[in-house]
Amino acid sequence: QVQLQQSGPGLVKPSQTLSLTCAISGDSVSSNSAAWYWIRQSPSRGLEWLGRTYYRSKWYNDYAVSVKSRITINPDTSKNQLSLQLNSMTPEDTAVYYCARVETLGRGVAAFDFWGQGTMVTVSS
Amino acid sequence: DIQMTQSPSSLSASVGDRVTITCRASQSVGIFLNWYQQKPGKAPKLLIYAASSLQNGVPSRFTASGSGTDFTLTIISLQPEDFATYYCQQTYSTPPVTFGQGTRLEIK
Repeated sequence: QVQLQQSGPGLVKPSQTLSLTCAISGDSVSSNSAAWYWIRQSPSRGLEWLGRTYYRSKWYNDYAVSVKSRITINPDTSKNQLSLQLNSMTPEDTAVYYCARVETLGRGVAAFDFWGQGTMVTVSS
Repeated sequence: DIQMTQSPSSLSASVGDRVTITCRASQSVGIFLNWYQQKPGKAPKLLIYAASSLQNGVPSRFTASGSGTDFTLTIISLQPEDFATYYCQQTYSTPPVTFGQGTRLEIK
């Protein structure tokens, strides 16, 4: 059974950097079939994908246009985890942040089949 | 980006009722459509993938259908634990992954 365990602060000051980690058990961050995402959820934006990392003989990253200039997602193969860094935080970044696995299921369709528990991040001084 | 629109945004129903939620894509997504259930304070849970395939462990009272741009999720005989928010999500054209805005199912 795959489990994703998130850790990181719940309160970040404006202009500072958010750093979250997602520890993976039951799978490998270097899996050749999975992709690892960060998603956030807020009342104003709903469920919003932020970015992903995945390994297919080499590492790939994709980021949402809305955060592309200030986001970094890194895999850590030694600890089997992934991290999220989001710079220049503003109150509009207040949200619940999730890591999640995408895997290809039946009929060739991919879906988010495992999620972290979520981290409520508040941006406030 | 493909936009996903759900209707209704909320609905009230009683235990034992049959309810249907609709999801429409701004362009064809084939069968690359998934449904999730989210309860307060919890992460979304995958119910249906590939438009109509039931995820392991999900009760058979959840059924779904559709292809192209129009999809439905039906819950046959609502149970107390089914009151939650439901989201559709397309994986036809990614990135970006896009979700519907959600349908909140409340107890009448």
